[in-house]
Amino acid sequence: GQSLEQPSEVTAVEGAIVQINCTYQTSGFYGLSWYQQHDGGAPTFLSYNALDGLEETGRFSSFLSRSDSYGYLLLQELQMKDSASYFCAVRPNSGAGSYQLTFGKGTKLSVIP
Amino acid sequence: DADVTQTPRNRITKTGKRIMLECSQTKGHDRMYWYRQDPGLGLRLIYYSFDVKDINKGEISDGYSVSRQAQAKFSLSLESAIPNQTALYFCATSGPGTGGAYEQYFGPGTRLTVT
Repeated sequence: GQSLEQPSEVTAVEGAIVQINCTYQTSGFYGLSWYQQHDGGAPTFLSYNALDGLEETGRFSSFLSRSDSYGYLLLQELQMKDSASYFCAVRPNSGAGSYQLTFGKGTKLSVIP
Repeated sequence: DADVTQTPRNRITKTGKRIMLECSQTKGHDRMYWYRQDPGLGLRLIYYSFDVKDINKGEISDGYSVSRQAQAKFSLSLESAIPNQTALYFCATSGPGTGGAYEQYFGPGTRLTVT
């Protein structure tokens, strides 16, 4: 099975950098995804790490270390609109399950002026 | 127009009633999913479907059933609703063009309240 742990809440200042961690226990997976969800909205895809290392997409970067069972989402130059919940998710590499995602419980990021 | 739509957006129903939530997509994706979201619990998979002939149970399928009427339509039913099924329900899709399941597209959600 899979389980993912994230901090429940993080607060950061506008313009700063924040890192949201995700540690996992899984029997095997293809990669780690990140999703953003604003209050009242639908989750939207942010990034995916199939391999160890850093993936950068504009102000957002995501990192994966399989040896440490750990990943993170890094948000730079924080803006008020980045206030949202962020979810990590793994895609298992076993049979039919390989087309599912298992989500963490989410981290609520509050950006303050 | 939205690529993934859900109806209704909000629904209040009574315990014991049958209710159906509907999902339609215009993305041409073959894979569709139903999730449930509760505060502090993240997204949990109820059912998923690879095509109209393939339905699979997810993590929390008890009390739910689904129907894949066409590639573009996937409905979720609660045969006899109970209060602990009060939650936000999301439909999602994915397809080979998006690299597989890791990139899923979500509908706007249906907020269901069972009294």
